[in-house]
Amino acid sequence: GAGVSQSPRYKVAKRGQDVALRCDPISGHVSLFWYQQALGQGPEFLTYFQNEAQLDKSGLPSDRFFAERPEGSVSTLKIQRTQQEDSAVYLCASSLVLTGNTEAFFGQGTRLTVV
Amino acid sequence: TQLLEQSPQFLSIQEGENLTVYCNSSSVFSSLQWYRQEPGEGPVLLVTVVTGGEVKKLKRLTFQFGDARKDSSLHITAAQTGDTGLYLCAGAPGFGNEKLTFGTGTRLTIIP
Repeated sequence: GAGVSQSPRYKVAKRGQDVALRCDPISGHVSLFWYQQALGQGPEFLTYFQNEAQLDKSGLPSDRFFAERPEGSVSTLKIQRTQQEDSAVYLCASSLVLTGNTEAFFGQGTRLTVV
Repeated sequence: TQLLEQSPQFLSIQEGENLTVYCNSSSVFSSLQWYRQEPGEGPVLLVTVVTGGEVKKLKRLTFQFGDARKDSSLHITAAQTGDTGLYLCAGAPGFGNEKLTFGTGTRLTIIP
């Protein structure tokens, strides 16, 4: 596809369950970002990658959150031992380069509900 | 913690009216972006402003970046039902779009 693809679109997890959210960026895009968007709020930064290197993970809320992009393309955001406060939409965005006023393209997001 | 405050949080107006949305911060940003987000979709970039005092026009939308690069406004002329959505401002610390700090959002509803 031409855009950023995220899967699954919806995920319901029982409290304590581990989840993995996938992001397929636009082909050739160097930078990849993960954001968390709570209901009625703006997205909040979690982490970003330049190719396979995770350059900033300062936004990850706890050590239960882990992101990887091993081959510099597809990325996975993993949340261990999910808790109710993890319920949110997780957005992935990619851009051609990290700097230089390049537009970031967002996926449709994965809506995670922890019950 | 959101560093960018948007106002109003909700706005509902009749088609054909004008409106302004504000984005304010105590921090200086190298650039500021405006996005529109529709339900079930990711944000879509509308514009990026980079120079203090800059004004950019996109059809009926006018964007302004404050002189001190701490605030911005979005003005829509003759609103249409297709303008309905969540409007988000986002500041970038460096030139580009790394690590965006998003505003609290303005949910706009245009009534036919």
